[in-house]
Amino acid sequence: SQKIEQNSEALNIQEGKTATLTCNYTNYSPAYLQWYRQDPGRGPVFLLLIRENEKEKRKERLKVTFDTTLKQSLFHITASQPADSATYLCALDPPGGSSNTGKLIFGQGTTLQVKP
Amino acid sequence: DAGITQSPRHKVTETGTPVTLRCHQTENHRYMYWYRQDPGHGLRLIHYSYGVKDTDKGEVSDGYSVSRSKTEDFLLTLESATSSQTSVYFCAISVAGVAYEQYFGPGTRLTVT
Repeated sequence: SQKIEQNSEALNIQEGKTATLTCNYTNYSPAYLQWYRQDPGRGPVFLLLIRENEKEKRKERLKVTFDTTLKQSLFHITASQPADSATYLCALDPPGGSSNTGKLIFGQGTTLQVKP
Repeated sequence: DAGITQSPRHKVTETGTPVTLRCHQTENHRYMYWYRQDPGHGLRLIHYSYGVKDTDKGEVSDGYSVSRSKTEDFLLTLESATSSQTSVYFCAISVAGVAYEQYFGPGTRLTVT
């Protein structure tokens, strides 16, 4: 069955550095990959989407890469700030696609802690 | 803000009692979802709906039922709550398009004692 892996260990970095989070998947080729941010006690919030034919996507201080050969996405936050501290989830369309359901499969998330 | 509300936001109930959680959206989105989120498991899909009266099971549907009689409301029912259903429940809608971004409600924290 399909599997999504995100580093379960928290990532601790110093303010101003670049944070890099990893999302690996196995057993199929998704058409797109999404990243969400979740703060404690709140629902996830959509951040970025990257399609299988795109290698890189940027939005302000965020950058996402999608390597379909390695079956991996990297999520970068440049010039990180303490306000970036949160859990970041990756999500993929399931095998067979989402055109009739809109369904996504979520990773467990990686917690980022940015220290001042 | 996709105009999604959930009620109640917190609930404590006893084992064996029925519980209904409500998700309400204001923007007439077709697709709606119920997830549960537990430590070590992430977000898991319980049920979803692709239209009024059109619903289907997700990966963890046992013990849950849903109903959608109006576009704006999606109800999740635990017919007889068990302690294993203690969790945080999130409702979400999907914005149809090429890639179906999802937007989540604030969540309901349910404790079954």
